[in-house]
Amino acid sequence: IAGITQAPTSQILAAGRRMTLRCTQDMRHNAMYWYRQDLGLGLRLIHYSNTAGTTGKGEVPDGYSVSRANTDDFPLTLASAVPSQTSVYFCASSTGRNQPQHFGDGTRLSIL
Amino acid sequence: AQSVTQPDIHITVSEGASLELRCNYSYGATPYLFWYVQSPGQGLQLLLKYFSGDTLVQGIKGFEAEFKRSQSSFNLRKPSVHWSDAAEYFCAVGDAGGTSYGKLTFGQGTILTVHP
Repeated sequence: IAGITQAPTSQILAAGRRMTLRCTQDMRHNAMYWYRQDLGLGLRLIHYSNTAGTTGKGEVPDGYSVSRANTDDFPLTLASAVPSQTSVYFCASSTGRNQPQHFGDGTRLSIL
Repeated sequence: AQSVTQPDIHITVSEGASLELRCNYSYGATPYLFWYVQSPGQGLQLLLKYFSGDTLVQGIKGFEAEFKRSQSSFNLRKPSVHWSDAAEYFCAVGDAGGTSYGKLTFGQGTILTVHP
């Protein structure tokens, strides 16, 4: 079934550790996005990618980095995790501007 | 900058009752508007979208939404709620311009509880 796969499903991580959240889509969508979801704040955009080889900063990019080496993969890296990065992270993709975004099932990350 | 406000954090309705979830947006041009639903532990699923044309938009699961430019609103409605509709609902506005290539700005979400 076509869609977005995120891994891991959940993770508990010690502060200061490096962590990469994986996101893979098989729909050949050009655009991909990373959001974090926090209670009462909805979803906030961390980083996005218009197409393979390009990335951009969203609303809350600090402490996160991304890469887009190919169309299908869009990993999100926390170089040195801090407790405030405890959240649920969603990856999404779309065919283009203002087209509906398709979401993965999320990664629940706890930083201790 | 674009923004979305969902005034109701939590709404409780009885099964079979009608439902309206409010959404107000701030955007300089004609907005691209979406409603998503999120069940516990799941990702977001698209309910419906408005790009242009008819201001009353039909979506999946019996939902509809009406775009009212004069009120900057895009309220979600359902005539008869089912227990399976209990979830969190998010309104979102798309970025029609700029360099962000269609990023969405989400409201804070409205949690819907359905009583039997």
